[in-house]
Amino acid sequence: GAGVSQSPSNKVTEKGKDVELRCDPISGHTALYWYRQSLGQGLEFLIYFQGNSAPDKSGLPSDRFSAERTGGSVSTLTIQRTQQEDSAVYLCASSLLLPGAFGQGTRLTVV
Amino acid sequence: RKEVEQDPGPFNVPEGATVAFNCTYSNSASQSFFWYRQDCRKEPKLLMSVYSSGNEDGRFTAQLNRASQYISLLIRDSKLSDSATYLCVVNGGGADGLTFGKGTHLIIQP
Repeated sequence: GAGVSQSPSNKVTEKGKDVELRCDPISGHTALYWYRQSLGQGLEFLIYFQGNSAPDKSGLPSDRFSAERTGGSVSTLTIQRTQQEDSAVYLCASSLLLPGAFGQGTRLTVV
Repeated sequence: RKEVEQDPGPFNVPEGATVAFNCTYSNSASQSFFWYRQDCRKEPKLLMSVYSSGNEDGRFTAQLNRASQYISLLIRDSKLSDSATYLCVVNGGGADGLTFGKGTHLIIQP
């Protein structure tokens, strides 16, 4: 595709349920980043992939959060046992030669 | 993760004025630098790269000071449409990848 694609664009889930967010990077982009952003707040780094490996996963807020990337392409971010404080926009960015491009994000609402 | 620091603002500036803000970074080995712009409820988008010698793009000027480890963005003749959050981005290279600052919120007032 022409840009970074994220799905779903919106997700409403009940507290305690698991959710999976998907990111399709720009074809050929080796680096992939996950960020989250609460309303009116700055970007919060979650995890960074180079290929399929994650050199930096220091931003994952708890062990309920995990991410994987397969085939050096699609990445999924999984949040288990969602809590209300997980509500945010989850943004994915990819890059090859700099700079990076962002997807439009997944707006997650935990009710 | 290496730090990239920005004043969150908001900077309230009258239309037509010149405004500048800085961003500091902690990784002295950082290789490349960028400014992104984020409009409300939108994803960040690249505004401009920052070159060692400084560079201009219309009303926007970006500067890099490696000795003091900061980059700056200057906006001349500001427009209402410049109202946005401006994110500083630093490439640490290798395993560090890109690090995004949390952004500076700019409000241009009529």
